[in-house]
Amino acid sequence: GAVVSQHPSWVICKSGTSVKIECRSLDFQATTMFWYRQFPKQSLMLMATSNEGSKATYEQGVEKDKFLINHASLTLSTLTVTSAHPEDSSFYICSASDLSPEAFFGQGTRLTVV
Amino acid sequence: GQQVMQIPQYQHVQEGEDFTTYCNSSTTLSNIQWYKQRPGGHPVFLIQLVKSGEVKKQKRLTFQFGEAKKNSSLHITATQTTDVGTYFCAGNSNSGYALNFGKGTSLLVTP
Repeated sequence: GAVVSQHPSWVICKSGTSVKIECRSLDFQATTMFWYRQFPKQSLMLMATSNEGSKATYEQGVEKDKFLINHASLTLSTLTVTSAHPEDSSFYICSASDLSPEAFFGQGTRLTVV
Repeated sequence: GQQVMQIPQYQHVQEGEDFTTYCNSSTTLSNIQWYKQRPGGHPVFLIQLVKSGEVKKQKRLTFQFGEAKKNSSLHITATQTTDVGTYFCAGNSNSGYALNFGKGTSLLVTP
């Protein structure tokens, strides 16, 4: 199957700093990528839909100025958590699809803000 | 908006017992997908169901899609310790590609 690589797999940052998470489709072009957030022992919550070359579509309640998404190419989308706070600590996962119905997930990024 | 509900939240079984998780959507789905997430891992695609009343099997796993395309179930026969993980259903509405995930059922299998 298609491979989606997410980096970094974990990051610890100080409160007030920004963190960038990359999501790459390695062997296919993804016009659309999705960003999810997962709290411990909870489900995946869709944060935003990232479209190549255009602005991301954010879900209700997700602050677009805090979670900056850039989808500059067909193989790369980035999520930047700006001015991170401890409540932003979570597991962030991206997914992308090729022509198949299956969504391919990145490995996820565990963010801890101290 | 569309809501996908999944029960039970947790299930603890003895190895060899059967296990079932149920998924129910507030709206009609164009398709439903099932994923398995091991502790510390990311969701891994298991299967997609598209047709009303569809039943698919993967070895000990049986997946069903309701006639109204609003509910689904995953049944595991004779569980094994390797079945441990959280099973998520995820629905696609007719209007979009983003998946709406259920809350997941965490399965624990003890030998």
